[in-house]
Amino acid sequence: AQSVTQLGSHVSVSEGALVLLRCNYSSSVPPYLFWYVQYPNQGLQLLLKYTTGATLVKGINGFEAEFKKSETSFHLTKPSAHMSDAAEYFCAVREGGANNLFFGTGTRLTVIP
Amino acid sequence: NAGVTQTPKFQVLKTGQSMTLQCAQDMNHNSMYWYRQDPGMGLRLIYYSASEGTTDKGEVPNGYNVSRLNKREFSLRLESAAPSQTSVYFCASRPTGGYGYTFGSGTRLTVV
Repeated sequence: AQSVTQLGSHVSVSEGALVLLRCNYSSSVPPYLFWYVQYPNQGLQLLLKYTTGATLVKGINGFEAEFKKSETSFHLTKPSAHMSDAAEYFCAVREGGANNLFFGTGTRLTVIP
Repeated sequence: NAGVTQTPKFQVLKTGQSMTLQCAQDMNHNSMYWYRQDPGMGLRLIYYSASEGTTDKGEVPNGYNVSRLNKREFSLRLESAAPSQTSVYFCASRPTGGYGYTFGSGTRLTVV
C-alpha cells in the first residue's frame, strides 16, 4: 500500500537560509513522486515531479528534490529561502498505473525576515 | 485561461441539505478527481473518473455521489450534508499517460 510521511507539520527558516522539507514514502512498486505548493486560499500548484531517470529533479522557484530509493525519501530543498516561499507544501506519491495520488499531511513553511 | 474551474468557491449548508459541486476542465484530460482537504490530514480522494462514463470510489466516498457528465465536467453531490463534510473540496484532472494533476482553486464548504 502507498503512504506518505512528511516530518514536521511546521518548519520555520530565516530568509536566505536553506529550506529542507522531508518526505518519506512507502510503495510496493517504483513510484511517481510529487511536491505541490499551496498558497493561502488557493489550489495546489505542482513544484516538481519524479517519474523515471535522473534522481535529482529541479522544479519551479528554485526548488529541487532527490529521489533516494534506498532511503525511500524524496526531500525538497532550496538553497536560499525567500519570503514568497511561505506556504504549505505537500508531498504525494502515485504507483505507476494507479489512479490515486496519495498525499502527505503537509508542511507549513514560515520564512522569518 | 486553460485549467480546472470549480463552482461555487464558498458555500454554507444546513445539516440535511443537498448540493452539487461543479467542476469543469478545458484541457481535454481523460481522468478527473475529487479530493477533500482537512487540517492535518492532507488531501484524500473521494471519487475519481478514469474516463468519460466511468467512476470509482476513492478513500472516503461515504456520503457523496458523482457524475461524469461528459469529458469536461465532473460533479460531486452531497445528498444530505453533515457537519463532518465541512471541508475544502478540490477537483483535479490528468491526461491519459500523464503524470501531473492540475487542480482547481477549491470550494470551501461549511455545514452547520
